[in-house]
Formats: sequence, structure tokens, C-alpha cells
Amino acid sequence: DTEVTQTPKHLVMGMTNKKSLKCEQHMGHRAMYWYKQKAKKPPELMFVYSYEKLSINESVPSRFSPECPNSSLLNLHLHALQPEDSALYLCASSGPLRQPGELFFGEGSRLTVL
Amino acid sequence: EDQVTQSPEALRLQEGESSSLNCSYTVSGLRGLFWYRQDPGKGPEFLFTLYSAGEEKEKERLKATLTKKESFLHITAPKPEDSATYLCAVGGRTFGNEKLTFGTGTRLTIIP
Repeated sequence: DTEVTQTPKHLVMGMTNKKSLKCEQHMGHRAMYWYKQKAKKPPELMFVYSYEKLSINESVPSRFSPECPNSSLLNLHLHALQPEDSALYLCASSGPLRQPGELFFGEGSRLTVL
Repeated sequence: EDQVTQSPEALRLQEGESSSLNCSYTVSGLRGLFWYRQDPGKGPEFLFTLYSAGEEKEKERLKATLTKKESFLHITAPKPEDSATYLCAVGGRTFGNEKLTFGTGTRLTIIP
């Protein structure tokens, strides 16, 4: 099983809503990532969890709140987002037995903020 | 700050017409250079890791090479299924702290 599963695939929310994006992997990977990708732009790193501890936060606004409940799951909690936060949110994982830089990406959650 | 520039932005080739994609980088010290493929509406898919100048990696019709300032992705006799956006990235070699910086990509279209 070499899959990273993200739910939901599509999400529409208002600026006052609270929602969550979920990511799951069963490859035994111990590092998990959130990336944000706008149309025709490269993915931009948001957060990295390594062994369930937050290791990198790329100065992301607090309206995005990551959570890693266990080594297989990664959540991104969303609150009071702005329309400019509309994007494809990608989850990825990597394992210590893989090459550095070899990330496995999910298909993403496409978020629209109205 | 790491910077990655890819060219061309878009490339249209006839099936079987070989070509190369370029990735230029500016880093304080190269830890690794990575190539990914991204299909529309999907997440990137890992292709290659290169660490040192002169290194080459191959996979089917793709070959990646690395110099001290740039990397090339050579595509030989491409097929329509090779159509995708190809992303180049630079980043860490330390597990769990891979801060990859991606280029804007080359959108490749192979015409049957």
C-alpha cells in the first residue's frame, strides 16, 4: 500500500466556518507534511511533522492549525479563513528507509473559501 | 534563500520528438535536487533524487542529470502519457526535515 489518502476531495466553506482536512497513510512513514498549491504555482510547504512532533512551521497564519494524532494521521484544522486561502492542500509523507526528498503525495483537498 | 527556476514554462512536442527540460538553482549548499511529475488535479509523484554534479538517473524514457548550477530532464521518444507538469525541487537530506523548495514547473504536452 503506497497511498496517501486525503479527505474531503473538495470543500467549500464560508469565512466564519470551522472545518478540517484529513490525511492518512499506512506505509509506516514517520514524517508528514502539509503543502499549499495555488493554480499554476508550485507547492509551498506549510508544516512538517516528524515522529508526531511539529518540526517545521513556515510562519503559517494561526487560522491554519495542524494536528498529528498518531503516526498515520495528519489533520489541518481551518478557522476564519480568507478567500485568498482557496487552494489545493496537499498532504505528503516520507519514511526513513526512503531517499531524502522522496515524498509520497496525496491527491489533495481542493478548498474554496467564499 | 534557495531559488529554483525552470524553463521553458510550457513545451509542446510531437510524439517521438526528444527534448530537455531545464532546472537552474541557487542554494547556499546543495543538499539534494529532486524531480517530480504532476498530473492535473493530482499530487506530485516522485521521479528522481540527484546529489552531486555528474550524477545521472534514468527511468523509462526519462533521464535526469546534474551539474553544479543546473539539472536537465531529458525525455527520449516521448509518448502522450508523458504529458504532465514536471517539477524540480531542492531541499534537505535530513529525514523528517525535508524542506523542499519547488520551481514553477514545465508543462509538457506530447501530441500524438
